[in-house]
Amino acid sequence: AQSVAQPEDQVNVAEGNPLTVKCTYSVSGNPYLFWYVQYPNRGLQFLLKYITGDNLVKGSYGFEAEFNKSQTSFHLKKPSALVSDSALYFCAVRDMKRNTGFQKLVFGTGTRLLVSP
Amino acid sequence: EAQVTQNPRYLITVTGKKLTVTCSQNMNHEYMSWYRQDPGLGLRQIYYSMNVEVTDKGDVPEGYKVSRKEKRNFPLILESPSPNQTSLYFCASSSGKALTNYGYTFGSGTRLTVV
Repeated sequence: AQSVAQPEDQVNVAEGNPLTVKCTYSVSGNPYLFWYVQYPNRGLQFLLKYITGDNLVKGSYGFEAEFNKSQTSFHLKKPSALVSDSALYFCAVRDMKRNTGFQKLVFGTGTRLLVSP
Repeated sequence: EAQVTQNPRYLITVTGKKLTVTCSQNMNHEYMSWYRQDPGLGLRQIYYSMNVEVTDKGDVPEGYKVSRKEKRNFPLILESPSPNQTSLYFCASSSGKALTNYGYTFGSGTRLTVV
């Protein structure tokens, strides 16, 4: 089965500094990878995805993610963090059931990002 | 506006009292799913549906039921809630094409407390 791992429960960074939120994946075949963000009392919002193509993917709110096949990683990055980026971030991978063709997303455990002023 | 609507947003109930959390989407999506979110465990899928009258268990289905009688609605039923079902619940929908492009569209969540 496809899976993703987020090794850090929390990441702390000062405003203006670059940030990285880590994600590693385990898949058979080519991975379809996603990042979502969850603000307090809100549902998850799509940030960006990797299907094929360039290893550096750009998404919403100035975020980008780097796909690294040799390290099986898909880390989320931003060159300059904002206090408003403080939220819970989830990495996810698409999983498809062979017998039914049903597609679903399998999520990591989430990483809380705290950006201090 | 394209959206997934869950109700209620907050619910406190007592052990054993049957309850239903409703979910509706207006995007004509064939896929719908229920997830629960618990600290340190991330989002875990409870049940999913590929289309009307087609449902299947996810990773944590015990204690839950679902039905998909209409394409837009996918209610989550707790026949006899227990305190270990206290959690934050999300409904999500997608089409096959949409899942490839941006994954799921999520509802705003239902925070359930069972006492």
